[in-house]
Amino acid sequence: EDQVTQSPEALRLQEGESSSLNCSYTVSGLRGLFWYRQDPGKGPEFLFTLYSAGEEKEKERLKATLTKKESFLHITAPKPEDSATYLCAVQHGGSQGNLIFGKGTKLSVKP
Amino acid sequence: GAGVSQSPRYKVTKRGQDVTLRCDPISSHATLYWYQQALGQGPEFLTYFNYEAQPDKSGLPSDRFSAERPEGSISTLTIQRTEQRDSAMYRCASRRGLNTGELFFGEGSRLTVL
Repeated sequence: EDQVTQSPEALRLQEGESSSLNCSYTVSGLRGLFWYRQDPGKGPEFLFTLYSAGEEKEKERLKATLTKKESFLHITAPKPEDSATYLCAVQHGGSQGNLIFGKGTKLSVKP
Repeated sequence: GAGVSQSPRYKVTKRGQDVTLRCDPISSHATLYWYQQALGQGPEFLTYFNYEAQPDKSGLPSDRFSAERPEGSISTLTIQRTEQRDSAMYRCASRRGLNTGELFFGEGSRLTVL
């Protein structure tokens, strides 16, 4: 069965304290791995798509990487405005479009 | 439209009543998804449409749930004989194509069943 597991469930950082969020997945033939950011009361907002192992993408203080079993979202020198829930989702080769989401990591960055 | 629009944003209903939620996707997007999201959880897949076809409705919790997209644009999600366990945020998302690009989400419809 396809699964997406995110860890940790919650992460508290001081401003400027770099860290990483993990997304482990088991799917039959990965078609794409997606990272989203979700602010309280809002819909998820797209960050990155990764398609193959070894691929990396960056946006401001965020960098996403992908291996055959997991993806990491690295946050460098975070700011309080980076506080949000970060969701990971996968689409497998036979899914015909369906994305399976993890439960998310709730990130809090204190000034 | 410019973004995904959902209505109503909030709906309170009594147990046993029927409820219909509406989604207006981005106008150029062929594929539309419905997800259910509980507080503190990730979105859970319900069903999706590619144009007006509904290839996968495996995530619908019971036969009380149904969805339509008759003209390949606006979609509705109907819950008949609502139960308290149906209380959740219902999110719609659209995408350019079946395997093309990212999902764009709406603000959601918060359903509360008393």
